[in-house]
Amino acid sequence: DIQMTQSPSSVSASVGDRVTISCRASQGISSWLAWYQQKPGKAPTLLIYAASSLQSGVPSRFSGSGSGTDFTLTISSLQPEDFATYFCQQANSFPPTFGGGTKVEIK
Amino acid sequence: QVQLQESGPGLVKPSETLSLTCSVSGGSITSDSWSWIRQPPGKGLDWIGYISDSGSTKYDPSLKSRVTISVDTSKNQLSLKLKSVTAADAAVYYCARLRTGLLWFGELPDWGQGTLVTVSS
Repeated sequence: DIQMTQSPSSVSASVGDRVTISCRASQGISSWLAWYQQKPGKAPTLLIYAASSLQSGVPSRFSGSGSGTDFTLTISSLQPEDFATYFCQQANSFPPTFGGGTKVEIK
Repeated sequence: QVQLQESGPGLVKPSETLSLTCSVSGGSITSDSWSWIRQPPGKGLDWIGYISDSGSTKYDPSLKSRVTISVDTSKNQLSLKLKSVTAADAAVYYCARLRTGLLWFGELPDWGQGTLVTVSS
């Protein structure tokens, strides 16, 4: 199985900050990576697919980049509704493993 | 956009079979692939398996001997059965639509709200 490692596991930030979350795959996955946001008690929602494509309806302050084994999710200007946990998922091959999550907390 | 809704017992006894249903509305269940994912309380996401639009299934190797995913086209429902449950199977269980491609496995654009399953006697 492809292992997905996210860093950091948590980050404290203020409204308006730029936040960057990293995800590393244990082997190359081309650009087949997705990012999800999950709020407490809710299901995850898809933010980014194919490493950098914005899912319909997702604000443009979210962006993704990377290919191969190293990927990044960036929130350009953190909004109050963005405080949540973020997961990456390799979409290259079965089983489609998830990263451990990054919790974005209020500073 | 499709809507998904999980249902089933919230409490299952150890060694028994967990059975969940996912009702799909706003689209035909035969038009897409579908997945089950679970999340133990306070932990990350674990993929259980999926069923394709052609009816083929694939399961996580760690669960393969205990899990069955199927669809009921007459009811537009997806189902999950997990045999011989233990405390380690306690989790929130989600159904989700799997968006696949020719060159990649896929991602999950639509999710149900999730249902919590506790394993206890």
